Amino acid sequence: DQQVKQNSPSLSVQEGRISILNCDYTNSMFDYFLWYKKYPAEGPTFLISISSIKDKNEDGRFTVFLNKSAKHLSLHIVPSQPGDSAVYFCAAGDSGTYKYIFGTGTRLKVLA
Amino acid sequence: DTAVSQTPKYLVTQMGNDKSIKCEQNLGHDTMYWYKQDSKKFLKIMFSYNNKELIINETVPNRFSPKSPDKAHLNLHINSLELGDSAVYFCASSHTDSGNTIYFGEGSWLTVV
Repeated sequence: DQQVKQNSPSLSVQEGRISILNCDYTNSMFDYFLWYKKYPAEGPTFLISISSIKDKNEDGRFTVFLNKSAKHLSLHIVPSQPGDSAVYFCAAGDSGTYKYIFGTGTRLKVLA
Repeated sequence: DTAVSQTPKYLVTQMGNDKSIKCEQNLGHDTMYWYKQDSKKFLKIMFSYNNKELIINETVPNRFSPKSPDKAHLNLHINSLELGDSAVYFCASSHTDSGNTIYFGEGSWLTVV
């Protein structure tokens, strides 16, 4: 049973436009959420996180939105750049247990 | 300087062998993890150690034995390797005072033939 789901396996966006990556979770105990970017043959790189006490967190071109009632979070990348092309994983967990569940990833392709 | 480093990066070995993957972090973190990414790209936690103590063990076969000699190291030893153990293994670390954001190593590609 996958507690964290990324239902879009892939997404293509034009350079300069907004990329929106979505993630849904089922466990209402999750209180900390993270997004990672992964290039081939490399480890996941941390991008941005959000605690359940917030509904938005912004870092440069990256913004994460959290909708607790819908158990949904999204990552917005504006403007999208070709170098953003990678696989994006969301992760969710209970910050007190050190255990984070990862989604299956969304492959983003930014077209020049 | 690599924050979380793991060796070897690539490992090809025969069924039945015993192998180890080493991991070291220089971030001063107090928690370390091993994750496995299988052929379907699922990234799943295997173990977690906090201050050298095992805190998460996710129904991993007991052929897998993590060892944490100190807070900066978490090694993964695998006995009697099987074909199904072929995967990418990621070491990671975090600090309880930093929101538990996890930082990953570059991965170790294990192929069992």
